[in-house]
Parts: sequence; C-alpha cells; structure tokens
Amino acid sequence: QSALTQPRSVSGSPGLSVTISCTGTSSDVISHDYVSWYQQHPGKAPKLMIYDVSERPSGVPDRFSGSRSGNTASLTISGLQAEDEADYYCCSFVTSYTWVFGGGTTVTVL
Amino acid sequence: QVQLQESGPGLVKASETLSLTCTVSGGSTRNFYWHWIRQPPGKGLEWIAYIYYGRSPNYNPSLTSRVTVSLDTSTNQFSLQLTSVTAADTAVYYCARHPGPGVTDYFDFWGQGALVTVS
Repeated sequence: QSALTQPRSVSGSPGLSVTISCTGTSSDVISHDYVSWYQQHPGKAPKLMIYDVSERPSGVPDRFSGSRSGNTASLTISGLQAEDEADYYCCSFVTSYTWVFGGGTTVTVL
Repeated sequence: QVQLQESGPGLVKASETLSLTCTVSGGSTRNFYWHWIRQPPGKGLEWIAYIYYGRSPNYNPSLTSRVTVSLDTSTNQFSLQLTSVTAADTAVYYCARHPGPGVTDYFDFWGQGALVTVS
C-alpha cells in the first residue's frame, strides 16, 4: 500500500512555529484534497485537527493550519504552546477506497 | 454527541481469532462510514477496514485475507474479526466514524481504544 512519510520528531520553543511535512510515495495519495491531520496525546485516542488539507474543525485553535504542495502536505502550529506537545499523524484517502497514515511525528515544546 | 465504545477480549492466543465490537450511541449506523484502525504499542496508526450500510466492506490490502467486518444496524454496532493472529497483531484497536469518501475526508469521532494482546 502507498505510504506517507513524516519526520520522526520536530521541536520548537513556546510562541514559535513548527511545520510537519507528510509526503506521499505515489500519485494516488496526497495529490488530491483528502488529507487530514490528527493529534494524539499519550494514552488517548487521536483527535481530528485538520481535514481536506486545510479545513479546521470547530473548536480547533486557529494556530493550527494545513497546506499542500504537490505530493507533500504540511501541518503548521503557530504560537506553540505546552499543550501542543503530542504525536501528530497525517492521513490520506487512497483512490482504491482505502486510507493510509503517516508514521507519526512527535512535537516537543522546548 | 456521538460516542463510540470498543469491547472484546483483551487477550487472544496466537493462531486464534480476534473479535471486537464497536457500539455507537448518539447517532445511527445507517449513516456514515464506520472504520477500524489499530496502533501497535509505541508505533503509528494503521487503517484496517471500513463498512457502510448496504455496501460491501473494504479492507487494507495487507490484511484482507484475515479480516472481516460486519454491521448490525438494529443494535447500532459494527464488528471486527481478525483470524490467525500473531504477536504482530498486538495493538490498541480503535473504531472511528467517517462521513464518506469523495466529498470530504476525516475521522471525526473515535472510540477510546481497546488494547488486544496476542499471547
């Protein structure tokens, strides 16, 4: 199955910004607009943060934003806060009506 | 508010069948797509399968020979069966809701997760 590649970890100081990339390895992922991002704190279920590349669900702070360029999607956290420290996963719909997740990125707030 | 809750044995013997049920409250299972997703300890998320009322389910190609999902709208539950399990199937298993592919794409409600250990 197609894979999504994320950096294992990123870090940033409070108040600054971090960006997590998510790159698709084939043309059937990422190249469309069906990319979502999930935040997961230890021992908790994932939480939807961004969908359809750049849409933000109600209740998610506007510090979180998403974008896509070619086969790479990105999640940016601006004004980093302590509670943003978590694992983040991208997810893409695949044209065969399956879904694939990235390997996850640990965000550390310094 | 929609809630999902996984249930089933937390311990399964190798070579046997893993069975889990997801109970949906606060909404009907006749709408939306219903998914299973798993996460091995310390590792990332893996999509397993989905089912939608009145349609055939679809499975992760890497698991398709061992996975079956079913939906019972009368009890508002959907289920997962994974046969011939090995230690590699040890994971937290999540059920999740999805509005349906092709229009928008997200998993908006998740269960709390059920840890299944293969011994």
